Amino acid sequence: SYVLTQPPSVSAAPGQTARITCGGNDIGRKSVHWHQQKPGQAPMLVIYYDSDRPSGIPERFSGSNSGNTATLTISRVEAGDEADYYCQVWDNSGDHRWVFGGGTKLTVL
Amino acid sequence: EVQLVESGGGLVQPGRSLRLSCAASGFTFVDYAMHWVRQGPGKGLEWVSGISWNSGNIGYADSVKGRFTISRDNAKNSVYLQMDSLRAEDMALYYCAKGRGLDLNYYFDYWGQGSLVTVSS
Repeated sequence: SYVLTQPPSVSAAPGQTARITCGGNDIGRKSVHWHQQKPGQAPMLVIYYDSDRPSGIPERFSGSNSGNTATLTISRVEAGDEADYYCQVWDNSGDHRWVFGGGTKLTVL
Repeated sequence: EVQLVESGGGLVQPGRSLRLSCAASGFTFVDYAMHWVRQGPGKGLEWVSGISWNSGNIGYADSVKGRFTISRDNAKNSVYLQMDSLRAEDMALYYCAKGRGLDLNYYFDYWGQGSLVTVSS
């Protein structure tokens, strides 16, 4: 089955740039979606199809995907960005299923 | 405004059953696939099951296959998860999520607030 690997934690000071990676075998050939989950809240979509932003998501959030790594980049980090971030892909090999990465805790210093 | 409201969670003994419901509003329910995703205590997200717009395509995680059954009633704008033979490892917050299209392979654009399932004797 397909596996997505994320670092458990990432930190950034306010105003700096945070990059959260999501590793997977040839993930560049798949579409990657990112969800943000703040403490005590339900997840929320922040990036879809590698780099598209839903309405209402700040331009500070961007995504890229190539080779074996997809990246969520948060520019000009704010305290309100502190959350868990999960990458997600559709695994269409064998049994079709959705796969989530293990999640990355973004800490704003 | 899209709303997904889960219900049916609670405390259940190992080996028993529970049925979760998700009531949807604010969009044309029949036009979208629906999913269940769970999150164990202190853990990450795990996709549990999904169902296409007309119930023609259904998928399950290996961890629940043969024990859980997903269904939907388009007339009632609702999706359900029948959970049988529950185990301690099924204890989690269960989220209902809306797919962005008809079939299972569209990304999730809205999530409910979750329904807590506790499995304990």
